[in-house]
Amino acid sequence: ILNVEQSPQSLHVQEGDSTNFTCSFPSSNFYALHWYRWETAKSPEALFVMTLNGDEKKKGRISATLNTKEGYSYLYIKGSQPEDSATYLCASKTGANNLFFGTGTRLTVIP
Amino acid sequence: NAGVTQTPKFQVLKTGQSMTLQCAQDMNHEYMSWYRQDPGMGLRLIHYSVGAGITDQGEVPNGYNVSRSTTEDFPLRLLSAAPSQTSVYFCASSYRGLSDNEQFFGPGTRLTVL
Repeated sequence: ILNVEQSPQSLHVQEGDSTNFTCSFPSSNFYALHWYRWETAKSPEALFVMTLNGDEKKKGRISATLNTKEGYSYLYIKGSQPEDSATYLCASKTGANNLFFGTGTRLTVIP
Repeated sequence: NAGVTQTPKFQVLKTGQSMTLQCAQDMNHEYMSWYRQDPGMGLRLIHYSVGAGITDQGEVPNGYNVSRSTTEDFPLRLLSAAPSQTSVYFCASSYRGLSDNEQFFGPGTRLTVL
């Protein structure tokens, strides 16, 4: 079992604000870090899969960075919009084909 | 493409009953997995498969069986349902392993065991 932690648990921001959250994972035997976006009453949807230390990925206003040596990843949302309201999940893969999820950061963007 | 489909969407069982949750994907994905989602906890892996004929246990396999006779289908069987198995179950698939490939999730099955 891998201990993947996300902070904060929940976050309220005003429309137009930029925000970021953290995912921490054990740095030993690291293979990949996944980010998913999960809207209420829907299924998780993939945002990024990251493998290399120093990797940075971007999709529209959302970007993520990865530090495998110290075991953390940041997810950034620039200019938050109400449609960004969702729970953001990260998950870490080790040598086996298992993916261990954090409990998520619930983002609410206030219009 | 229908993507990942799951049936049923909702199910109520009595303790001791058995049932099969169905999962299918039409994307020719090699990797398929089952998760359960419980309040206050992250998604937890029950079983996974890296290809037809190959299955393996995840983090919480007890009380569940799986098989993978075809690439498309990955059913999850509850052998003797218990109230602790009340949960939302998600099936997911990925092109190959999880080092490079995102997972696609099904719509979920909400199971209540009385």
